Order: sequence, then C-alpha cells, then structure tokens
Amino acid sequence: TQLLEQSPQFLSIQEGENLTVYCNSSSVFSSLQWYRQEPGEGPVLLVTVVTGGEVKKLKRLTFQFGDARKDSSLHITAAQPGDTGLYLCAPHTRGSNYKLTFGKGTLLTVNP
Amino acid sequence: DTAVSQTPKYLVTQMGNDKSIKCEQNLGHDTMYWYKQDSKKFLKIMFSYNNKELIINETVPNRFSPKSPDKAHLNLHINSLELGDSAVYFCASSQVPGGLYNEQFFGPGTRLTVL
Repeated sequence: TQLLEQSPQFLSIQEGENLTVYCNSSSVFSSLQWYRQEPGEGPVLLVTVVTGGEVKKLKRLTFQFGDARKDSSLHITAAQPGDTGLYLCAPHTRGSNYKLTFGKGTLLTVNP
Repeated sequence: DTAVSQTPKYLVTQMGNDKSIKCEQNLGHDTMYWYKQDSKKFLKIMFSYNNKELIINETVPNRFSPKSPDKAHLNLHINSLELGDSAVYFCASSQVPGGLYNEQFFGPGTRLTVL
C-alpha cells in the first residue's frame, strides 16, 4: 500500500513571503501531478512532472520531482493572497488501474 | 462555458432519504469520476466510468449507485442516507482513463449535509 504524505498540513504566511510544501512517499511514481483547490471550488491541475529531477516553473511556482521519483516539492516565491488554497499532490503509479490517489493536501493561507 | 457541471450545489436532507447528484461534462471526454471530500479535505475516489463502463469501484457502500446514461453524464444516487455521508462530492472527467499526463477536470462540487 502506497503511503503518501504531504507537509505541512497547514501553512499561514504573510504576503510576499516564500514557502515550500512537500509530497513524500516510499513508493516510486511514474508521474506526479499538483492540483490547487480554491475555497468552494474543485481542484485544478497546476503541473505534471514525469522525469526524475525534473523542474517546472509556472510563474512564481516552482515544482521539482525528486531524482528517485518518490517525492516532489512546490516552492512559491513572493506569495500572494490569490495563492490561498489547498495544494494536493496526486501521484500516478504503474498498475494503479487508472486511479489518481490524492494526498491529504497542504492548506495554504496567504494574508494581505 | 462550464466544462464540468454538477447539480445541485448544495443538498440538505434527512437521514434515511434517497437523493441524486447529477454531473455533465462538455469536454468530449471518455472518462468520468466521482470523488468524496470529507471534512478534513481528504479527496478520495469512489467510482470511475470509461465510455459508460464502470472501471473503478472503490470500497463504497452499495447504497451508492452511479449511473452513466451516456459519455457526457455520470449521476450518483444515494439510498438511505446516513450522517456519515455528509461531505462534498466532486465529479471529474478526463480524456483518457489513465496515463502519465492524465489531467482531470473537476466540477464545482455538491455539498451534501445529512441531518
């Protein structure tokens, strides 16, 4: 059984600060997706990472896939109130029979 | 244009009642899903249909019955509602059922409250 851990569970910061959230597992992933869920909405895909060590940037967001493809991080530079939301990682593993398994998420609040 | 829509947005009902939630997607996707998000924000898959055929059926009480009349619709019927069924239910769709780049598009959710 795959154990997926996201940390921290909650994060409250001031506008302009930097932050990093993590997604860790003991399993090797084929790929990993990050979704953001804003209050009252459904999750929206931010990025998919596939190759070990891969780094992808989306404006102020930087996503990294671990070399061994067991973990991933999301770094936000100069956070804005609009970044507030639940950040979910969702790895895809071979033989997962189409299932997307979500982590429990990091709830980020960026205060103005 | 709304890509994945769900109705109703809010549903408040008494224990023991039967209720349905409807989902429609206009993305032309072949695969649709139902997820349950509990009060701790944990999002867990319940069912998945590909081309109207059930491909994922997690350990969900048989009081929950999905129905896919066509590729664009996936409805969820719940019998004999219990307090523990209170949650936000999300419908989602994707172009393909699996794969490395399988992006899922989520609806806005239906908040079910069982009293």
